[in-house]
Amino acid sequence: DQQVKQNSPSLSVQEGRISILNCDYTNSMFDYFLWYKKYPAEGPTFLISISSIKDKNEDGRFTVFLNKSAKHLSLHIVPSQPGDSAVYFCAANLGGGSQGNLIFGKGTKLSVKP
Amino acid sequence: ETGVTQTPRHLVMGMTNKKSLKCEQHLGHNAMYWYKQSAKKPLELMFVYSLEERVENNSVPSRFSPECPNSSHLFLHLHTLQPEDSALYLCASSRASGSGANVLTFGAGSRLTVL
Repeated sequence: DQQVKQNSPSLSVQEGRISILNCDYTNSMFDYFLWYKKYPAEGPTFLISISSIKDKNEDGRFTVFLNKSAKHLSLHIVPSQPGDSAVYFCAANLGGGSQGNLIFGKGTKLSVKP
Repeated sequence: ETGVTQTPRHLVMGMTNKKSLKCEQHLGHNAMYWYKQSAKKPLELMFVYSLEERVENNSVPSRFSPECPNSSHLFLHLHTLQPEDSALYLCASSRASGSGANVLTFGAGSRLTVL
């Protein structure tokens, strides 16, 4: 059974508006959560992370929110730009801090239309 | 050259062939990984090497054989693969510093097609 779930395979947003990408998880032992972005023909690149003891982390246009009671996190991109069009992967760090393995979701393909 | 470099980028092989995928990192990291990405599936962790020792093998079939000769190089040796092994194979590296999240740096991947 999947421990990290991204239930929306795709999302389409107008340029300048907010993009909200969602992720659910089942294992309460995850200590960090990460978001990666992947363009075609490139490897995933790290975007932002959040510790399980925080509920929000912000980096420029990207903010990640964590709701531990609901086992849910979301990535907000404001304002969205055409260059943000990519596949976004949610990943969970299975304990051990930087020595823990990452469990990935299936990804959500974001399309930002001009 | 910096980052994580994977070669070849594309590989087509028959089921009886033997081939290898190569990964090289220039980041001074001490852990390296092989992931498999199949269509409509999450990235699947295959192998982890930490300080050149294999620490995890996620029940990967023996037709996949990893090799980590030093902390900068990682190979995936392929032998008698099946068509269902066709996928994107991603190499990654990280520095296990003991604090913070395990942030992986990925290569661009090797697209494998098994005929």
